[in-house]
Amino acid sequence: KQEVTQIPAALSVPEGENLVLNCSFTDSAIYNLQWFRQDPGKGLTSLLLIQSSQREQTSGRLNASLDKSSGRSTLYIAASQPGDSATYLCAVDSGNNDMRFGAGTRLTVKP
Amino acid sequence: GAVVSQHPSWVICKSGTSVKIECRSLDFQATTMFWYRQFPKQSLMLMATSNEGSKATYEQGVEKDKFLINHASLTLSTLTVTSAHPEDSSFYICSATYSGNTIYFGEGSWLTVV
Repeated sequence: KQEVTQIPAALSVPEGENLVLNCSFTDSAIYNLQWFRQDPGKGLTSLLLIQSSQREQTSGRLNASLDKSSGRSTLYIAASQPGDSATYLCAVDSGNNDMRFGAGTRLTVKP
Repeated sequence: GAVVSQHPSWVICKSGTSVKIECRSLDFQATTMFWYRQFPKQSLMLMATSNEGSKATYEQGVEKDKFLINHASLTLSTLTVTSAHPEDSSFYICSATYSGNTIYFGEGSWLTVV
């Protein structure tokens, strides 16, 4: 059974700093991996989707990488802003739409 | 792009009553819909998978008689929490996909049982 772990559980950084969020998964046989953002009291917003054949995806200040063999993905946020404060979730799809989520990293960007 | 809509976004109900949450795919036919639950500071956990026209498949530990899922059409799935109790208070979110393509998530529904 796929298990997804996110480190750290919480992170607080000053505005403008670059940061990296980590996600690891136990079974490298995945279909794709997604990073989501969840604001308090809100639903999920999909940020980046990486197919199993891809190594990375970029959208604006966000860059997500995938290393299937080592079971790792990272989400890089450049020049962080207070508006980036949210919980970031990593989800692994092992095929047959069997998605497993990590517990998330709660990010706070201080002005 | 594809949109999945959930309703209601927020609901408060009394203990012992039932509450229904709807999940609709607005511009595509969802052959499969998923229901997740998230308790505070925990990850989303899959509750059940439903395919249109057939019974839902529940994950281990999820009571199918308590969490009734109906996927009556290709654009609508409903989750009914029966005889709700305060411990059922949680964030419930659905997702939908067409034939195994990209999964789209609803906005989620916050349930508070008082």
